[in-house]
Formats: sequence, C-alpha cells, structure tokens
Amino acid sequence: QSALTQPPSASGSPGQSVTISCTGISTDVGGYSHVSWYQQYPGKAPKLIIYDANKWPSGVPDRFSGSKSGSTASLTVSGLQAEDEADYYCSSYAGNNQWLFGGGTKVTVL
Amino acid sequence: EVQLVESGGGLVQPGGSLRLSCAASGFTFSSSWMTWVRQAPGKGLEWVANIKQDGSEEYYVDSVKGRFTISRDNAKNSLHLQMNSLRAEDTAVYYCARHPGQSFDCWGQGTLVTVSS
Repeated sequence: QSALTQPPSASGSPGQSVTISCTGISTDVGGYSHVSWYQQYPGKAPKLIIYDANKWPSGVPDRFSGSKSGSTASLTVSGLQAEDEADYYCSSYAGNNQWLFGGGTKVTVL
Repeated sequence: EVQLVESGGGLVQPGGSLRLSCAASGFTFSSSWMTWVRQAPGKGLEWVANIKQDGSEEYYVDSVKGRFTISRDNAKNSLHLQMNSLRAEDTAVYYCARHPGQSFDCWGQGTLVTVSS
C-alpha cells in the first residue's frame, strides 16, 4: 500500500484560507469515512485536529474543517494565523487493519 | 490529563534488538486500542502496529511483520514494542498513541531509534 498523496507545501496570508488535499484510492480514502488530520510543529508530536473526515476533537477551533469527496479528502484552515504554520498530515483506514498516512504538507503563513 | 511517555530508544547496530516502552496515565488504558507510529528523520508519519484492549489482536505494517512485536501490560498501564533484526530503514522517532475508532487522538513525545554501525 502506498502513502496517501498530499502537496508538499501550501501557503496563505494571515486571515486567508488554505486548503490541503489528500488523495488516495478506492480501498482507503475512497472506501471509508475514516480520514483524520494531524498538525505537527517541528520537534513536537502530532496533534489530532480532524477525525472521521469532518469531526472536531474537543478543543480544536472550527477554523479547521475537513471534507471528503470520492478518494480525495481536504483540510481547510480558515482565517489563517501565524500559529497555524506547521506540517499537516492526513491519515486513512485502509482496510485489513491497516492505516496509511500522507506524506505531509508544510503550511507557511506569509 | 492524558499522558503517554515513551522510553527505550537509542543507538543500535544493524541486526540488533531494542524494546520500546510507553507509560500511560490519565485515562483507562485497559479500555483503549493502542498504536505505534514512527517518523524517519525529515520524513512523514508511518503507522507501525496496533493492539486491542485485551491484547488478543495485533496488527502490523508489512515492513515490520516477523521482526517487531507489540504487547501491553494493562496492570502496569504500559505498551511495548519489541524490535528485532533492526535495519537502517527502521531509524525513526517512535510515537505511541491512543487509538479510539480510526484515529490517533493522543500522542507521546516520541523516542528516537537510530540503527547504525
């Protein structure tokens, strides 16, 4: 199984929105609604920010939103803030008790 | 507060073994699936293995099958990863994480494993 496909980088100015895609196939992203997104600062552990494609864990601001269409999931960060500059990873259940991650997207706030 | 603290990382020669541990607190450990995720230096995340609440089921990514063994001790709230026949490509920071449903909602700070001669 191959990693999910994410763009290596994305950027936006403060207050703008940025959307990150996560592309898989019919046996992972396309086959399940179990896509999650993680935010990771350099040298730190990842943090769950979206699960089951579009649900928020407690404490995560609703500036972060998720969606899924077919085999592509997306994370949108609205009202970009300086603190949103980080790496973002998607993950999907891939059946047969296997999980896949994307390669990660570095978000830069201009 | 949920807390996961990994230990046991270090430098090991190719072909060697290492046992990682993860001490859990702040939640009912025996009610949670648990998982190990790794991240090679400068690279992305990779799911490695997970284990059911009672230890009766365990699953692995193909690249570690037959070499790594995940286990847990619910009496001691601890998770382990026994890593044998280590290769250079196993070099990574290893994170333990709680695994409710199909996401990983709480992570430890990670422990670095370096496989090198």
